[in-house]
Amino acid sequence: VQLVQSGAEVKKPGESLKISCEAFGYSFVNNWIGWVRQMPGKGLEWMGIIYPGDSDTRYSPSFQGQVSISADKSISTAYVQWSSLKASDTAIYYCATARAHYDERGYVPVSFDDWGQGTLVTVSS
Amino acid sequence: QSALTQPASVSGSPGQSITISCTGTSSDVGDYNYVSWYQQYADKAPKLMIYDVTQRPSGVSDRFSGSKSGNTASLTISGLQAEDEADYYCSSYTSSSTLHVLFGGGTKLTVL
Repeated sequence: VQLVQSGAEVKKPGESLKISCEAFGYSFVNNWIGWVRQMPGKGLEWMGIIYPGDSDTRYSPSFQGQVSISADKSISTAYVQWSSLKASDTAIYYCATARAHYDERGYVPVSFDDWGQGTLVTVSS
Repeated sequence: QSALTQPASVSGSPGQSITISCTGTSSDVGDYNYVSWYQQYADKAPKLMIYDVTQRPSGVSDRFSGSKSGNTASLTISGLQAEDEADYYCSSYTSSSTLHVLFGGGTKLTVL
């Protein structure tokens, strides 16, 4: 399994952004893939997961409405995008394959197994 | 966002064993066997070391082991090596309707 993320980005507040994660070496359509944020000097926060086979997408309540996660199964690539960046979006963003558990809330990730190298997003005026 | 509680730092000498704790509640660690541990070197991506409390992914050294007692999960590293120096994060599934997944704040392991 290999996940290759797009390169570092420097943006201004209010700008839009879409970063990518291309998957190799496993069945992209049949496995959940997710995004995890790490703010400077801080810990890990899960943002959301997507099942590329049917585009079923689950968001962390903390990130619902703040980002949009998508996938293009024809090129085995997952994305996360922002419509209007804020300075507080400055962070490293990791994609990772995920195992998910189904409960009354739908699918919830229970582990993040293989990780991309990370994409540094800097938002500054 | 509420987090699982980990010690900020632990240390040990080469060859020793160390344990990192991860304390939650009966809504997460205590009631579900979905605790994971991640190792992160400085400026590198995290790596899954333990999942489902005790399971090691293929390729992870058997010096790493996981366990749980009540609301506290633990990661034990035996035969400590210099290369084990890193940050370690725990995570747990939670039944909370507003959280879903919790991460610990991370523990810095120093090999003396």
